[in-house]
Amino acid sequence: SSELTQDPAVSVALGQTVTITCQGDTLRSYYASWYQQKPGQAPILILYSKNNRPSGIPDRFSGSRLGNTASLTITGAQAEDEADYYCKSRDNSGNYVIFGGGTKLTVL
Amino acid sequence: EAQLLESGGGLVQPGGSLRLSCAASGFSFSSCAMSWVRQSAGKGLEWISAISGGGGSAFYADSVKGRFTISRDNSNNTLYLQMSNLRAEDTAVYYCAKDPNYYGSGYFDVWGRGTTVTVSS
Repeated sequence: SSELTQDPAVSVALGQTVTITCQGDTLRSYYASWYQQKPGQAPILILYSKNNRPSGIPDRFSGSRLGNTASLTITGAQAEDEADYYCKSRDNSGNYVIFGGGTKLTVL
Repeated sequence: EAQLLESGGGLVQPGGSLRLSCAASGFSFSSCAMSWVRQSAGKGLEWISAISGGGGSAFYADSVKGRFTISRDNSNNTLYLQMSNLRAEDTAVYYCAKDPNYYGSGYFDVWGRGTTVTVSS
């Protein structure tokens, strides 16, 4: 079955740059989208398709893909960026949605 | 502004049934595929079902196939999830999520706040 793998936890110093990765074979065929979730809140979309941000998402968030790995980069991390981040894509058939296990980002 | 509001969660005994609803507003509901995503306490997101804009195509995760049914009423801008034969492991917050394309484009641009389902005796 298709899977997306994320590191469970990542930390970054305030103002520094951090990259969160998502690995899976289906990423060679389908783009990942990225979601931020803060405690007690619903997820919100922060990146989709090649490197698109919904309105209202700061431009310090950017995305890329290389081979079977999608990456979310936060350039100049802020305290409010501390959250769980999930990647999402499709399985090999293209019909089913798969999520990565999530990465807990701590801003030190 | 596009909004989604889930309802129908609650406490149900194992083996019981429950129907969740998701009321949509602020966008062309029938033009958008919709999904249900759940999250158990302290765990990650799990996609469970999706339906195309017209309702003609539906997909389910293996964990709920045969027990859950997704449907939609485009005349009332409402998405449903009929859950039956519920198990303890179905206990979670259930979110509905909007995909901007009719058959699904691969991302969810709007999420509801969620409704909590607890399966326990």
